[in-house]
Amino acid sequence: AQKITQTQPGMFVQEKEAVTLDCTYDTSDPSYGLFWYKQPSSGEMIFLIYQGSYDQQNATEGRYSLNFQKARKSANLVISASQLGDSAMYFCAMREGRGGGNQFYFGTGTSLTVIP
Amino acid sequence: DVKVTQSSRYLVKRTGEKVFLECVQDMDHENMFWYRQDPGLGLRLIYFSYDVKMKEKGDIPEGYSVSREKKERFSLILESASTNQTSMYLCASRRGREWSNQPQHFGDGTRLSIL
Repeated sequence: AQKITQTQPGMFVQEKEAVTLDCTYDTSDPSYGLFWYKQPSSGEMIFLIYQGSYDQQNATEGRYSLNFQKARKSANLVISASQLGDSAMYFCAMREGRGGGNQFYFGTGTSLTVIP
Repeated sequence: DVKVTQSSRYLVKRTGEKVFLECVQDMDHENMFWYRQDPGLGLRLIYFSYDVKMKEKGDIPEGYSVSREKKERFSLILESASTNQTSMYLCASRRGREWSNQPQHFGDGTRLSIL
């Protein structure tokens, strides 16, 4: 089974509108962390936001927020007030467990295009 | 800021060659990783290392090996390059052995073509 599922290969959003990128995860470990990365066409992976499994509040970083629904095992990224520079691939990732294993699991990504 | 530097942005090699991809990080991170990225498949982990001279296989280690002789440097080796190893290769580093909220920090990637 896939550890991370991103079901939207491509998304379009009008400039200045909000957009939600979906991510569901699969783990039986009670301790895990969820990460979102942005990859512009230039190729570098940029860390955006983090949510821990025990965090009570949804994470926010500027225009990025994470809609964390633990029971549904979803961790959707919300980008508010989209800008042209937000056009990129977006990857959801998960790290399981405490100590020991350091493996991150990545989804297949969502390509976001912001339309002027 | 963390800096992860990959030795080449673009690389073209021939089938059967031994290929070295180098990665250096400047933040004294314990953990380093090699991924390959292919369209529609996302990032797949090849190998990772949590300490000098230590390595762990990821999901797709076949045809690859790694070397970590110094903490700051993690090398990916294609023992005998094949055309199905044409891909984007990404190196990452991360602080800490224990569970934490630390993200992975990535290099700019190496686009490797095997002819």
